[in-house]
Amino acid sequence: NAGVTQTPKFRILKIGQSMTLQCTQDMNHNYMYWYRQDPGMGLKLIYYSVGAGITDKGEVPNGYNVSRSTTEDFPLRLELAAPSQTSVYFCASSYPLQGRVETQYFGPGTRLLVL
Amino acid sequence: GEDVEQSLFLSVREGDSSVINCTYTDSSSTYLYWYKQEPGAGLQLLTYIFSNMDMKQDQRLTVLLNKKDKHLSLRIADTQTGDSAIYFCAERTPGTYKYIFGTGTRLKVLA
Repeated sequence: NAGVTQTPKFRILKIGQSMTLQCTQDMNHNYMYWYRQDPGMGLKLIYYSVGAGITDKGEVPNGYNVSRSTTEDFPLRLELAAPSQTSVYFCASSYPLQGRVETQYFGPGTRLLVL
Repeated sequence: GEDVEQSLFLSVREGDSSVINCTYTDSSSTYLYWYKQEPGAGLQLLTYIFSNMDMKQDQRLTVLLNKKDKHLSLRIADTQTGDSAIYFCAERTPGTYKYIFGTGTRLKVLA
């Protein structure tokens, strides 16, 4: 299994441009998450999904959109990039089992710079 | 409100023990986690503890939980240079999909 993969690894955007951060997992996990990590800060949840066709907002959803058409893929869309969206973005997935500890598996991250 | 706090930096000598501390605020949290992040990589789960436990040991790792003070610690015995990384604690309340992460502690191991 490849686990959780993310593309691209690094991207520079101009203000106002749009892009999609890709995330794919091959573990058949129901739950998927997008986080952003700013320097000196913990991870902040942007959006999450509990299954195909179901998404919901996290703590910091403004400026982002997501979709979940398949179990494997959970792309994150930035429509009008702003400097405040400069960050490292992590995708994660998990498969909670009744009575067992849920473990999140993280992708390697996408570093985004908006100038 | 919900918050998880950690000190930002810790420096230890190779072979010494490291203790990384974390405080949390949600008393209903059932699961508490420690993650390790190496440079340029995603977070990797190291260990976890249930809130009804006081201690958990896993090879060189010892997790201590003080529920009264809402204090969690991670002790790494015989710290090696390969342990240099950022360590995050996180809490999750059962029935939610929300993890609250700390700011991370950067551990530097000196040879």
